[in-house]
Amino acid sequence: DGGITQSPKYLFRKEGQNVTLSCEQNLNHDAMYWYRQDPGQGLRLIYYSQIVNDFQKGDIAEGYSVSREKKESFPLTVTSAQKNPTAFYLCASSQAGQGETQYFGPGTRLLVL
Amino acid sequence: RKEVEQDPGPFNVPEGATVAFNCTYSNSASQSFFWYRQDCRKEPKLLMSVYSSGNEDGRFTAQLNRASQYISLLIRDSKLSDSATYLCVVNVGGTSYGKLTFGQGTILTVHP
Repeated sequence: DGGITQSPKYLFRKEGQNVTLSCEQNLNHDAMYWYRQDPGQGLRLIYYSQIVNDFQKGDIAEGYSVSREKKESFPLTVTSAQKNPTAFYLCASSQAGQGETQYFGPGTRLLVL
Repeated sequence: RKEVEQDPGPFNVPEGATVAFNCTYSNSASQSFFWYRQDCRKEPKLLMSVYSSGNEDGRFTAQLNRASQYISLLIRDSKLSDSATYLCVVNVGGTSYGKLTFGQGTILTVHP
């Protein structure tokens, strides 16, 4: 089955710790995205990548970093500089640019201990 | 003004009711419009794209009004399984490489 996978489903972070969220897709999509969702709010774009080895900041990139070494993979690191990391993190992909339909992975819920 | 704005609800309707949601957008150059459905603690899933001529998929009808800059979603004969949050999504950049912006969602609860 084609799709987007994210792991882990739940992640706990200690103060001052960096954590990495995994996102993999086998849809052969060029573009991938990371969003953050807080309770009662819409999705906010963290980073996006339209092609391998290239990525751009979204609206709330501070405290996050990404890499795009392979077409299938777009991991997100939540660094210690992100002071309010507790949220639901969603990875998405699309065939071409951001105007195209985006398909989402199941999400990772990050909690701070 | 927010780029994409939805009435957060919640909308509480009985089974079999017809319910409509509106969503307004601020950028008149926007070209792509979508409705997504999100179940509690799950990822958003595409419900339908919204075309200029309007489109229908079973009990769901989407309309676009460019002059007034809003899109709508009509659900007929509501089912219990329609209970979810409905997200309005707009390409505010106006091109295929523009940025998708999500509304905060409208909560629908269908009760017996």
